[in-house]
Amino acid sequence: AQSVTQPDIHITVSEGASLELRCNYSYGATPYLFWYVQSPGQGLQLLLKYFSGDTLVQGIKGFEAEFKRSQSSFNLRKPSVHWSDAAEYFCAVGVGNYGGSQGNLIFGKGTKLSVKP
Amino acid sequence: GAVVSQHPSWVICKSGTSVKIECRSLDFQATTMFWYRQFPKQSLMLMATSNEGSKATYEQGVEKDKFLINHASLTLSTLTVTSAHPEDSSFYICSARVTGTSYEQYFGPGTRLTVT
Repeated sequence: AQSVTQPDIHITVSEGASLELRCNYSYGATPYLFWYVQSPGQGLQLLLKYFSGDTLVQGIKGFEAEFKRSQSSFNLRKPSVHWSDAAEYFCAVGVGNYGGSQGNLIFGKGTKLSVKP
Repeated sequence: GAVVSQHPSWVICKSGTSVKIECRSLDFQATTMFWYRQFPKQSLMLMATSNEGSKATYEQGVEKDKFLINHASLTLSTLTVTSAHPEDSSFYICSARVTGTSYEQYFGPGTRLTVT
């Protein structure tokens, strides 16, 4: 069955430090992968996505993610974290019929990021 | 572009009453919209997939008679929680998929429902 695992429930980093959030997926076909960020009491904002091509994808707010098929991973990185990055981060995989009406997303449980001054 | 709105952003209702939540795609047409439920400190749980002009497809375990979904136009889907109970209190988030694309969804800001 398709699934997404985010091993870290909560991560705390110092402002200015680098960040890596882990995501592993289980999906039989070519995965379509996403990272979303959710601020408290808000909906989700798309940070970046991977469909095909270059395995290192750039997103908004200085985030990037690398798709590694051999490790079934799609880890999110940022070289220098800002206090405003404190939020919940969700990794997701697209499943179902690509382009069809039933294609949807399966989300990981999320990683909460706290940023120390 | 690709903005999705939800209304209301929060609502308090009494047990036994019904409440309607609207989800609108403001600057694009959305053949498909999704309704999620999120409990505190939890991930999003897909409740149903709504396709314009047809009946919604509900995920296993979601009561379709309790959570009524209507997707009457390409820019509007509604979720009505009927005969609400305190256990229905949650954060409800909708998303919309641009017509002709696949998995990419744009999310609304969510609606906080509290049933007293």
